[in-house]
Amino acid sequence: GQQLNQSPQSMFIQEGEDVSMNCTSSSIFNTWLWYKQDPGEGPVLLIALYKAGELTSNGRLTAQFGITRKDSFLNISASIPSDVGIYFCAGQLYNTGTASKLTFGTGTRLQVTL
Amino acid sequence: DTEVTQTPKHLVMGMTNKKSLKCEQHMGHRAMYWYKQKAKKPPELMFVYSYEKLSINESVPSRFSPECPNSSLLNLHLHALQPEDSALYLCASSQDTSGTDQYFGPGTRLTVT
Repeated sequence: GQQLNQSPQSMFIQEGEDVSMNCTSSSIFNTWLWYKQDPGEGPVLLIALYKAGELTSNGRLTAQFGITRKDSFLNISASIPSDVGIYFCAGQLYNTGTASKLTFGTGTRLQVTL
Repeated sequence: DTEVTQTPKHLVMGMTNKKSLKCEQHMGHRAMYWYKQKAKKPPELMFVYSYEKLSINESVPSRFSPECPNSSLLNLHLHALQPEDSALYLCASSQDTSGTDQYFGPGTRLTVT
């Protein structure tokens, strides 16, 4: 199925650094979701965005819904070791009468060194 | 509470076995989902249930058979699987299928021998 372009694919950063990742699509979405997944576990919802241009924070995380509705970014400030994992963006398009589906990005693998 | 539970955590089965995966949520959500995830890949949608009715089947082989006995439970019955079906199987739920947030369970790690 369709996947969103997510970059970077992976990144090594030092503890305390800020992190930025983004997701782009060729089609528009109504909703953007950002998930974090630890090895062997299910994805955990971090932030949900519902309106074009919306900027939302959750602790050290900040995400924005692009004005064109075709992109989103996630920033993590002052990274800590437990931020290690795979981050997935997911776009969701809802049209009346049909069930909405998530389209996932390819994932960004984050590793934090002390 | 945004918890979705899944059992078992791990499952090893032979190609002739019949087994079932179970998923449960008590958030009052009326949409439930099964995904399959291979290593280092994003989850792939398999089935969507809306108000206990099958809404989407993403052309999944018939050796996977979903069932939604009630609004809180979702099962995935497995029969005659192939080794390439080994993966992490994730259940998710959302308020409904109108674009509301999806919450995932911890997954079942399935190995087919």
